[in-house]
Amino acid sequence: GDSVTQMEGPVTLSEEAFLTINCTYTATGYPSLFWYVQYPGEGLQLLLKATKADDKGSNKGFEATYRKETTSFHLEKGSVQVSDSAVYFCALNTGNQFYFGTGTSLTVIP
Amino acid sequence: GAGVSQSPRYKVAKRGQDVALRCDPISGHVSLFWYQQALGQGPEFLTYFQNEAQLDKSGLPSDRFFAERPEGSVSTLKIQRTQQEDSAVYLCASTSERLNTGELFFGEGSRLTVL
Repeated sequence: GDSVTQMEGPVTLSEEAFLTINCTYTATGYPSLFWYVQYPGEGLQLLLKATKADDKGSNKGFEATYRKETTSFHLEKGSVQVSDSAVYFCALNTGNQFYFGTGTSLTVIP
Repeated sequence: GAGVSQSPRYKVAKRGQDVALRCDPISGHVSLFWYQQALGQGPEFLTYFQNEAQLDKSGLPSDRFFAERPEGSVSTLKIQRTQQEDSAVYLCASTSERLNTGELFFGEGSRLTVL
């Protein structure tokens, strides 16, 4: 069935370090792909999305490219900040349902 | 409203009690989803409404779980005879997209603890 597998955490980085959180998916058809973020004490909110192969989603310095050949949607940021500390969820939408990964907790230390 | 509102934010129930969790979606949003999020896990799909019609309830874990959205706006998730394994955060999300290809807007969740 359709599913998302993302990198296990937790991840701890120093401020200004480079971030990669891996996400791969299994889906029939052509899903849309998303990264959601959950800051402490808040609900999930959309970070970025890509709706077709080779699209790049970007927001707040984060980027992810929809790679159909490797069924991946890895999240990257060139220089993380303390305020990026949160839990990140990869998700796919098949048109009928959203499927979420288990989440990756990121802590950025000054 | 400005965002998806859920209540109560926290609920403690004794095993065997019934609970009701409320979701008030963004005004005008057609589609509404309920998810269950266990500690350290991602959201797991429970059920989906388009307006007042419950189009998919395949994720409801047992017949103790029941959801409704009678007027196509506010939704209630009811859990009867709660068990300890029901302890989780219950998330509600809505979207204006009929075909669910767009962004989901989430509430802050209702944290249920069953003792």
